[in-house]
Amino acid sequence: DVQLVESGGGVVQPGGSLRLSCAASGLAVNTHYINWVRQAPGKGLEWVSVMYKSGNTYYTDSVKGRFTISRDSSKNTLYLQMNSLRAEDTAVYYCARDRYCSGGTCYAGGAFDLWGRGTVVTVSS
Amino acid sequence: EIVMTQTPLSSLVTLGQPASISCRSSQSLVHSDGNTYLSWLHQRPGQPPRLLIYKISERFSGVPDRFSGSGAGTDFTLKISRVEAEDVGLYYCMQAARFPYTFGQGTKLQIK
Repeated sequence: DVQLVESGGGVVQPGGSLRLSCAASGLAVNTHYINWVRQAPGKGLEWVSVMYKSGNTYYTDSVKGRFTISRDSSKNTLYLQMNSLRAEDTAVYYCARDRYCSGGTCYAGGAFDLWGRGTVVTVSS
Repeated sequence: EIVMTQTPLSSLVTLGQPASISCRSSQSLVHSDGNTYLSWLHQRPGQPPRLLIYKISERFSGVPDRFSGSGAGTDFTLKISRVEAEDVGLYYCMQAARFPYTFGQGTKLQIK
């Protein structure tokens, strides 16, 4: 089965750190574009970051300098290191693959076709 | 940052009747590669989102053909030809033409 499974969430004080994991099975994380998307309680979806299969990374402005996306191909896992956490970072964090295929070739283009079930991060004193 | 604006934010629809959601972007979503990266996702309570439509009108595998997407440039529409009970939940448009990717606020679809 192809799936993504997030872990690592929890309760942390403001200013603290957490590392989220997105473990992949049935696909290799280093051959796909994988994103982090978060959803604050009762709110909409917010894109956080992506790692391209090339290793290039991109972030939304509110997390730049605080969050770092990385991967370990030997563990087939994507990570999100979150430092200097703020109350507004409280959310369910999802990892999601971006992929669509056409004519036998697959591309990235906002087609978030595979999602994990999410991990909950709560930043509170 | 591209702002995505959905209307309506809430929709009450009778089973079997059509539904339509509009999504407007603050800038053109035409990417430098010529593609327009506008997607639609559906989220039921307590579940992760699931992809319905990508590249304006491409239906994702397994999505019923009562769902269709259309539009160009900055104006896009998701249509459900005949609403079924399983269609309730939140619908989001999303642009991936430029970083940061951004979502609309979400439209809540309920059955009348």
